[in-house]
Amino acid sequence: DAGITQSPRHKVTETGTPVTLRCHQTENHRYMYWYRQDPGHGLRLIHYSYGVKDTDKGEVSDGYSVSRSKTEDFLLTLESATSSQTSVYFCAISEGQAYGYTFGSGTRLTVV
Amino acid sequence: KNEVEQSPQNLTAQEGEFITINCSYSVGISALHWLQQHPGGGIVSLFMLSSGKKKHGRLIATINIQEKHSSLHITASHPRDSAVYICAVSGWTQGGSEKLVFGKGTKLTVNP
Repeated sequence: DAGITQSPRHKVTETGTPVTLRCHQTENHRYMYWYRQDPGHGLRLIHYSYGVKDTDKGEVSDGYSVSRSKTEDFLLTLESATSSQTSVYFCAISEGQAYGYTFGSGTRLTVV
Repeated sequence: KNEVEQSPQNLTAQEGEFITINCSYSVGISALHWLQQHPGGGIVSLFMLSSGKKKHGRLIATINIQEKHSSLHITASHPRDSAVYICAVSGWTQGGSEKLVFGKGTKLTVNP
């Protein structure tokens, strides 16, 4: 979607290695979110940010960390990737619930 | 029990049929969202609504706040409507920030 990009789009990594996914927005929105999407579970919130350097955990945050040093970038790091973290990861941005959400195109991560 | 329940999980229709997908939720919300995801694709926001009804082309979304229920209708369905349709509600994290809670999605297949 225009205004939000995720990178990389696809990645294969080995168990135990660190991995960083990037979400970049050009909309200057305050809120940024990382979700993972798995069959049978729908989308689940990993971490979110409500401003530069302001982040908090979601429902499935174990094994993940995030950073937001600039308004436009929200990084998701898998500190030591495990096979259970094989998933499709989506970033979303919002200026507030009254304005809706915009989603990135997703990153398909495979941990082997 | 999931906070957001969708039905049916899977739906197959013939081109031209009228389609209804249902969503029930059990939490307080500020808005309800209908999202569309094509196979291997990103997530696109179709509607955000907090009351009444919205229409966009052949798609109609309704919400009944008292009954905590929403429906997505597709009139004159077409094979290009084949996708996963996801219901999500805007709520709040324990920390008071905004978040989305997702249903597991309804996979729609429209045959020519």
